[in-house]
Amino acid sequence: NAGVTQTPKFRVLKTGQSMTLLCAQDMNHEYMYWYRQDPGMGLRLIHYSVGEGTTAKGEVPDGYNVSRLKKQNFLLGLESAAPSQTSVYFCASSFGRNIQYFGAGTRLSVL
Amino acid sequence: RKEVEQDPGPFNVPEGATVAFNCTYSNSASQSFFWYRQDCRKEPKLLMSVYSSGNEDGRFTAQLNRASQYISLLIRDSKLSDSATYLCVVNAEGKSTFGDGTTLTVKP
Repeated sequence: NAGVTQTPKFRVLKTGQSMTLLCAQDMNHEYMYWYRQDPGMGLRLIHYSVGEGTTAKGEVPDGYNVSRLKKQNFLLGLESAAPSQTSVYFCASSFGRNIQYFGAGTRLSVL
Repeated sequence: RKEVEQDPGPFNVPEGATVAFNCTYSNSASQSFFWYRQDCRKEPKLLMSVYSSGNEDGRFTAQLNRASQYISLLIRDSKLSDSATYLCVVNAEGKSTFGDGTTLTVKP
């Protein structure tokens, strides 16, 4: 029962570096989401996708790009990392706008 | 005003206590509602869905009040293991909105 798998689990970047976070789900869900969660705060939606080949902006999309080339994968890219992007990133997937299943998170520090 | 609001707490209660959290929402067209649990530094996990007629799962009871636009979560006979942050989720017009969460600490 893999569910939603995020890689990597931890990453440290220097300001200006780029990276891609990978989210994979094996539940055949149409919807996938990327959130960030800062200490003591709630989840904020970065981008989401309602199906293969589609993406849409969420609440805090600036500084991030996403791609959904395959139904099971949703990639989150940081082109030029900034310290303000230090956060925990969660990916989730759902069958329609229903119960969301989350990955274990990626802890990113930007120095 | 936020679309979904929760009292952040923290709620500090002794073992065995009954505690209740509320979550208010602003969109009257909201269609479905959920409670999630998030342990420290872990991912959120579904605790229970909230049905119009109210629903119960063991020590947990969830209720919906559409007239006043809030959902509630009642925890009876609190256990140490109930210590966590509880997030409400409201789905409306194709969009899911998470509350910021209410933190519960159950003490011996």
